[in-house]
Amino acid sequence: AQKITQTQPGMFVQEKEAVTLDCTYDTSDPSYGLFWYKQPSSGEMIFLIYQGSYDQQNATEGRYSLNFQKARKSANLVISASQLGDSAMYFCAMREPVRGNKLVFGAGTILRVKS
Amino acid sequence: EAGVAQSPRYKIIEKRQSVAFWCNPISGHATLYWYQQILGQGPKLLIQFQNNGVVDDSQLPKDRFSAERLKGVDSTLKIQPAKLEDSAVYLCASSWGTGELFFGEGSRLTVL
Repeated sequence: AQKITQTQPGMFVQEKEAVTLDCTYDTSDPSYGLFWYKQPSSGEMIFLIYQGSYDQQNATEGRYSLNFQKARKSANLVISASQLGDSAMYFCAMREPVRGNKLVFGAGTILRVKS
Repeated sequence: EAGVAQSPRYKIIEKRQSVAFWCNPISGHATLYWYQQILGQGPKLLIQFQNNGVVDDSQLPKDRFSAERLKGVDSTLKIQPAKLEDSAVYLCASSWGTGELFFGEGSRLTVL
């Protein structure tokens, strides 16, 4: 079974608008961490935001916020006020301490910001 | 603070040849990871080291891939013999504790 599912292969958003990238995960462990990474065409993996399973508040980092719905096992990334430089591949990933803390990635979503 | 260093950035070889990739993690990071990222896909973990011990190598094709992390710092990933389907970017990452992973720029392998 897929641990991390990103159902949107590609998304378009108009510059300055907000966009939500979907991520659902599968785990039976109470302790886990959820991450979002950005991968521009240059290939580097850039850490964006982290949400712990016990965190009460949704994580925010500047224009990035994580809509964490634990019961639904979803951890959607919200990018506000999109910029042209946000065009990239976005990966959702999960870490489970009981499984050695390895980071398992989803298939990714390509985001294109239109001017 | 210096980031994760990887070399070479690009490598082109013919099938059945061998290749080695090198990674130097961020100083003090005990955990080191090698990921394989095939074009258009998410990274797939090949092997995870904690200091110089292997934590997870369940997805490493051990008949052709090998990795080591001597002295718990630098690591090398070797492929011998290479197959066409090994064409990918090989990403090295390191982390301290359970925090985020820091990735290198990757080594892009093309097998002809």
